[in-house]
Amino acid sequence: DADVTQTPRNRITKTGKRIMLECSQTKGHDRMYWYRQDPGLGLRLIYYSFDVKDINKGEISDGYSVSRQAQAKFSLSLESAIPNQTALYFCATSDHREVQYFGAGTRLSVL
Amino acid sequence: GESVGLHLPTLSVQEGDNSIINCAYSNSASDYFIWYKQESGKGPQFIIDIRSNMDKRQGQRVTVLLNKTVKHLSLQIAATQPGDSAVYFCAESGYNAGNMLTFGGGTRLMVKP
Repeated sequence: DADVTQTPRNRITKTGKRIMLECSQTKGHDRMYWYRQDPGLGLRLIYYSFDVKDINKGEISDGYSVSRQAQAKFSLSLESAIPNQTALYFCATSDHREVQYFGAGTRLSVL
Repeated sequence: GESVGLHLPTLSVQEGDNSIINCAYSNSASDYFIWYKQESGKGPQFIIDIRSNMDKRQGQRVTVLLNKTVKHLSLQIAATQPGDSAVYFCAESGYNAGNMLTFGGGTRLMVKP
């Protein structure tokens, strides 16, 4: 969905490096989410934010941190990347209803 | 714990046939369900949703059926086309989960020409 933009689309990094994945949205939604997707598995929630001053841990937050810089921007950081963080990462947004709209994803490889 | 899952990981259908993708859920408090389609290299795309006060909802070529008695959800795609080839996810939420979505593992639909 072009309304939810993720950068970069692909990233290769080395173990121990700090990296940031960025997400921006033009839908005007208050709620933003970061998910991780591994091959053959469903989406797992890393962090979510219901407004600019709200940050909540999801199911698998260890090793990750987030920053909600503005209503439209929500970034995910890996403080010290490790190989098992190799995955596809998705950002999503929603308003007060449950439907979430997803970005195109960031494919991350940690060597 | 509570979970959402799928019966079949891969479904292969002939072009023009109808497709049925199934999903079982275990959280009896779930009251809202969504189907997403994910094409290769893209993010999940919303297809259709249904609330627990309904048992059927139709969209364009798609129908979602909800059977609360057996906690089962299905997505029916009529006259399946090559462009329908994708992975399909169900997701559920409820007030007791803060309206957060829980996703199933996905079913891959392959359309044979």
